[in-house]
This record gives sequence, structure tokens and C-alpha cells, in this order.
Amino acid sequence: GAVVSQHPSWVICKSGTSVKIECRSLDFQATTMFWYRQFPKQSLMLMATSNEGSKATYEQGVEKDKFLINHASLTLSTLTVTSAHPEDSSFYICSADQGSGEAFFGQGTRLTVV
Amino acid sequence: DAKTTQPTSMDCAEGRAANLPCNHSTISGNEYVYWYRQIHSQGPQYIIHGLKNNETNEMASLIITEDRKSSTLILPHATLRDTAVYYCIVRGTSGSRLTFGEGTQLTVNP
Repeated sequence: GAVVSQHPSWVICKSGTSVKIECRSLDFQATTMFWYRQFPKQSLMLMATSNEGSKATYEQGVEKDKFLINHASLTLSTLTVTSAHPEDSSFYICSADQGSGEAFFGQGTRLTVV
Repeated sequence: DAKTTQPTSMDCAEGRAANLPCNHSTISGNEYVYWYRQIHSQGPQYIIHGLKNNETNEMASLIITEDRKSSTLILPHATLRDTAVYYCIVRGTSGSRLTFGEGTQLTVNP
């Protein structure tokens, strides 16, 4: 299947700092990418839909000023967690649509805010 | 998006077929049934999807009932590496959101 790569795989940051997570579709172009968050023992929760060249669409309850999403090209979307706090510690996962109906997921980024 | 209902957990013996059911009684005519699985601390892995016909690929088979209100994912010869949470998702056109429910924790036992 198609490959979606996330970087970094894990990151530890201090409270109050910002962290950027990258999501790349390596062998296809993705007009739409999605960002999810997953807490321990819970399912994936959709945070936002990222469309190339336009503003992201955020799900209800997700702060757009805290979780900045940029989708500047057809192969790259970034999620920046601004002014991170311990409660933002989570597993962040992106996915990208290949266009044939299948969405492929990155390996996820484990964020720990200390 | 139509809601799906799956059993919380299932067990299967290694080498046997694993049959994972999913109910999606409110599915609409243009919505597909997707299956993903997630092994602990990894991103979800695409398995298979279908509209109304049964589908088969190298990983699994998908059986969709004629009224499309339920489906079954079949792993023909389960291995220990198939232990994962399996998600059944109903989705519209390509590019539309994938909404995850709680899924089924499949445990394959030796």
C-alpha cells in the first residue's frame, strides 16, 4: 500500500513550548489529510481535516489556535501544538487519502509534555 | 456518517479463521464499509473496503449482507501477529472523514 510517514515518532517537550509534527505522503499526492489524537485505551479522535492550499476544518471542541495545521503542498501537512501543556500529551496520527478510496495512516507521534 | 456497532472483544485460535462482525444498519446508499486495524502504539493499517459486493484481497475477505446493514471481516488463517483492534467504519466518498468507533480487540491465541 501507499506510504505515509510521520516525523518525529516521539517527542518530549517542556510545558509552554511548541512542537511541530510532519506528515508526508511519500509515493502519492494527497489533496486531503486528516489529523487524529488518541489517548491511552481510547479510540482515535478526529481533530481536523487538512486541505491543500486552504484552511483546515477543525472538529468541534478542537482549538484551532492551539493546534495549527498547514498543508502547503500535496505531499506535506504539519500540525503544530502551540504552548503545549501536560494534558496535550497524546498519540497524534495523520492520514492521507490516495484518491482511490483508501486512506493510509502514518505511524503516529507520541508527544509527552513535561 | 453512519454509526457502526462491533463486539468489544473476540478470541481466535491461531490458524483458524477469525470472523469479525459489524452492524451498520443506518448506512446510506453511497457509503462504503471500511476495515482498519491498529496494533498497539502504531498507526491504523488499511485492510479492505467495499460497497455492496463481497471483496477479497491478500489480507482478508469482506462479506456484506444484501441489505448492507451488516458485514463480516474474515481473516482466513489467523496468526499471532493479527492480534489488534479492528475498526469497522462507514464512509462516504474518497476524501471524506473516517470516524473511528471503539472497535473489536481481537486476540489470537497459540
